[in-house]
Amino acid sequence: KQEVTQIPAALSVPEGENLVLNCSFTDSAIYNLQWFRQDPGKGLTSLLLIQSSQREQTSGRLNASLDKSSGRSTLYIAASQPGDSATYLCAVKGGANNLFFGTGTRLTVIP
Amino acid sequence: GAVVSQHPSWVICKSGTSVKIECRSLDFQATTMFWYRQFPKQSLMLMATSNEGSKATYEQGVEKDKFLINHASLTLSTLTVTSAHPEDSSFYICSARGGSADTQYFGPGTRLTVL
Repeated sequence: KQEVTQIPAALSVPEGENLVLNCSFTDSAIYNLQWFRQDPGKGLTSLLLIQSSQREQTSGRLNASLDKSSGRSTLYIAASQPGDSATYLCAVKGGANNLFFGTGTRLTVIP
Repeated sequence: GAVVSQHPSWVICKSGTSVKIECRSLDFQATTMFWYRQFPKQSLMLMATSNEGSKATYEQGVEKDKFLINHASLTLSTLTVTSAHPEDSSFYICSARGGSADTQYFGPGTRLTVL
């Protein structure tokens, strides 16, 4: 069964810093990988989706990379802002078309 | 982007009662809907997958008689938690996917508290 792990579980950074969130998965046979943002008590907002054939996707200050063979993905956030504070989840789409979610990284950007 | 709504956003009920949560796709036809459960500080766990007009497929360990799922139309799926107990208290999130599209769109979630 696919297992998705995110490190670190929590991260606090001062405003303006660049940061990297990590995601690893055990089964490299994936269709795509997606990064989500979840604010406390809220649903999920999709940030970036990387197809299995792609190596990275960019949206504004966010850049996500995918190394399928090693089972890793990173989410890079440039020039962090307090509004970036949230929990970031990665999820991989497997053979049964289901999404397997990681446990998330809780990010706090300190003004 | 596509919008998925859930109702209610939160509900408090007494132990033993049943609670129904609705999930609607507002601007697209959702051939497949998913129900997830999220306990505090944990990630989302898939409970079941439903295709319009057919029975839901439940994940291992999820009781189908306790969590009744109905996907009667292309825009509506319901999850009914029957005879709710305090351990059923959780955040329930639905998502929807249209046709063969890759993207799942997530609802805002429903906070269930069972007293």
